[in-house]
This record gives sequence, C-alpha cells and structure tokens, in this order.
Amino acid sequence: NAGVMQNPRHLVRRRGQEARLRCSPMKGHSHVYWYRQLPEEGLKFMVYLQKENIIDESGMPKERFSAEFPKEGPSILRIQQVVRGDSAAYFCASSPPLRGELFFGEGSRLTVL
Amino acid sequence: SQELEQSPQSLIVQEGKNLTINCTSSKTLYGLYWYKQKYGEGLIFLMMLQKGGEEKSHEKITAKLDEKKQQSSLHITASQPSHAGIYLCGAEYNTDKLIFGTGTRLQVFP
Repeated sequence: NAGVMQNPRHLVRRRGQEARLRCSPMKGHSHVYWYRQLPEEGLKFMVYLQKENIIDESGMPKERFSAEFPKEGPSILRIQQVVRGDSAAYFCASSPPLRGELFFGEGSRLTVL
Repeated sequence: SQELEQSPQSLIVQEGKNLTINCTSSKTLYGLYWYKQKYGEGLIFLMMLQKGGEEKSHEKITAKLDEKKQQSSLHITASQPSHAGIYLCGAEYNTDKLIFGTGTRLQVFP
C-alpha cells in the first residue's frame, strides 16, 4: 500500500512564476491536509480538504494561494506569483474518513530565486 | 500567543543517556500526537494519546498525557544515534486538524 505521494520533491521557481504542488493521498483516504514548514520552524496548518470540498482554509494566505482536491486525481496546492518568502517545505498529509493519525508525505521543497 | 509549546527547542545528549521532551497546551486536548522528522524528510507517526493519564510505549520511547489533558511528555531511554531528528507534538482540539508545536531538535553523539 503506497504511502502519501508528493511531487515534485524539489521545485525551483523565479519570483513571479507559479508553483504547483501535487499530493496523492493513501488509498482509501478521503481527507487531505497541507502544511508549510519554514526553515527552522514548525509545521503550520494551511488547508484541509475532502473530495471536491474545502473544509478549513484558515491557514491559507488570503492572496496567491489556492488548493483543490478534485473528484479524480491528486490534491493540488497552487501558489501564484511566488515571492522569496514562499520558499519552504510543503507537506501533505492524509487520513481515513473517521480520522485518526495523519500520514505524511515526504514533502515538496520550494525554492524561489 | 502559541497554543502549543514544546521544550526544549533543542537537545544534545550523549549516547546512552535518557531524555524528556515536553509539550504543553493552553487548552484541553482532544488528542495528542507525537511525530518524528528526520532532517529533510517527512514525518513519521510515533504515538497517539487521547485519555487523561494515558501512557504508551514503543521500543525505548514512552509518551504520557497528564490527567488534565494539557501536557504531554516524550521520554527516550538509553538514547541512540538513530533517535536523532526533530520531534513534533500535534494537538487535536475540537476541530478536524492537528496544530503542531515548534519541534525539538535532538542530537545524539557517541
């Protein structure tokens, strides 16, 4: 049973470009969470999604950031017009329908030049 | 102010020594999760605690949740280099997400 798959593992973008990070949850998991980890800091919650629904986006910056989890395909975290401060590791986690522990992916490390 | 505080922020111990990491919440917890993160990698689930006074052990790692469900400790006995990494506690409140502490960086030297 494959774990949570994130890609790309590393992404380099120039200021003003767009970054798209993908997350495929574990089989049977319908809940997806995105977290951001800045250098030398803890994990900050960004957004919680179920299939086709955003349940909690209280941690998402108001501008440039969006997330989706379509009926088919992976969850996508999209960052438009990236700035240097967006450089971070972005982690996706999934859980089964009745909750319990979160299973984390290996993360996608975004570097903005 | 931070809902969840971890201490210490970093810890350097000699191999074979015992150590304790603390996690304190400003609110009553529904659940408390401990994860370990190796540098540059993802998080690995260690243990979950839900009941006041609960204690769980796995190999040389023991986690406890106090009776008031506001504080948890992670204790490692006879530490080894393989224990090195970042330990994160995650708090579950009455929402469907985990709020994480700032982490404790553990280094174990021979």
